[in-house]
Amino acid sequence: AAGVIQSPRHLIKEKRETATLKCYPIPRHDTVYWYQQGPGQDPQFLISFYEKMQSDKGSIPDRFSAQQFSDYHSELNMSSLELGDSALYFCASSLGQNNQPQHFGDGTRLSIL
Amino acid sequence: EDQVTQSPEALRLQEGESSSLNCSYTVSGLRGLFWYRQDPGKGPEFLFTLYSAGEEKEKERLKATLTKKESFLHITAPKPEDSATYLCAVIKAAGNKLTFGGGTRVLVKP
Repeated sequence: AAGVIQSPRHLIKEKRETATLKCYPIPRHDTVYWYQQGPGQDPQFLISFYEKMQSDKGSIPDRFSAQQFSDYHSELNMSSLELGDSALYFCASSLGQNNQPQHFGDGTRLSIL
Repeated sequence: EDQVTQSPEALRLQEGESSSLNCSYTVSGLRGLFWYRQDPGKGPEFLFTLYSAGEEKEKERLKATLTKKESFLHITAPKPEDSATYLCAVIKAAGNKLTFGGGTRVLVKP
């Protein structure tokens, strides 16, 4: 079965640079979520979109922005990168918002030098 | 304050040695409790959703149960391939974000 696709899988940036992470949800899924997972930590919710509209917001820094496009894929844009932004970034998707299981991609590992 | 806590943090089992993982929660307006399995460097893999106390779900050697205060993930006769981190997460009354409980690292030795 098709899964959530994230690209790139690995990304290396320097401080103050920008990065764009992409997420392609499972076909027919209309809701996308972004999570950040630091080493040895739980995934932390950043932001979600339902039908191209922001539906919930967590601890996402002002330096980050995201959007969902008409084909339901989503992009997380990160600017003025800091060393502390080094983490695994996961995208998840679900069919609808009402307590539906969120299916995760394998993440983008972002390393800031 | 809403809290989700998993125990133990780590569990070492011999192949075939059944055990249970605990996820306790104090959450106002629980809308769903989810179990995931995560392998190193991979995304969490969905296992189960539980919505109401008394509900049970099974899949192969795994069985999840839910009460009003906690959930258990029972692993029956585990195999080495069951080694992973098992994550419990909840969705509360407002919003759709998952709040995770810290995870239990399970190692099954042959």
